Amino acid sequence: DAGVIQSPRHEVTEMGQEVTLRCKPISGHDYLFWYRQTMMRGLELLIYFNNNVPIDDSGMPEDRFSAKMPNASFSTLKIQPSEPRDSAVYFCASSFGSKVRRNTEAFFGQGTRLTVV
Amino acid sequence: AQSVTQLDSQVPVFEEAPVELRCNYSSSVSVYLFWYVQYPNQGLQLLLKYLSGSTLVKGINGFEAEFNKSQTSFHLRKPSVHISDTAEYFCAVSDQAAAGNKLTFGGGTRVLVKP
Repeated sequence: DAGVIQSPRHEVTEMGQEVTLRCKPISGHDYLFWYRQTMMRGLELLIYFNNNVPIDDSGMPEDRFSAKMPNASFSTLKIQPSEPRDSAVYFCASSFGSKVRRNTEAFFGQGTRLTVV
Repeated sequence: AQSVTQLDSQVPVFEEAPVELRCNYSSSVSVYLFWYVQYPNQGLQLLLKYLSGSTLVKGINGFEAEFNKSQTSFHLRKPSVHISDTAEYFCAVSDQAAAGNKLTFGGGTRVLVKP
């Protein structure tokens, strides 16, 4: 497997524009996570899905942020409208949900570096 | 709820010297513990994890960590660092009772290895 794949790797957009970040999890994983990394707040969980269903979106900062997982192999994180303070690196991660301990690991994508000017 | 504190935000170290990165956690439930490494402009890669058993855990690239339950610590060590170990290191925990490996991260420690 190629690992967790995120696109684009870099995105520069103007304030007010809509931004869509994409993620393809590892095949067979039934959990998907979206994290945001900033200098001020570090790595924070935004939302996570189990079997394509959102489980906890309490980390989503505002209504401008939304995430979907239409099928097991694809998820999107959308920001509309975008603001300069949304500039950050956004990571997608996936894992098995089994409590078998050998499966206790989350795999991360390379991240999308978002700059809103 | 859990929280993770990494006591050093930056650690400069000379090549071939030992390094220790400190991590303390707080949790009302039993947790698994992890160390991840992030190389410049890369994603996070798992270095090692503590699930149960021996409190000394060995990971990739010569790193090891020791779980100390009484001190709620999980410090990371390497006896001799290389230039290639320059990276940011993150300590993280997850709830043992929860499925899916939802992680709570510390603030990270940036390691700069000098020649």
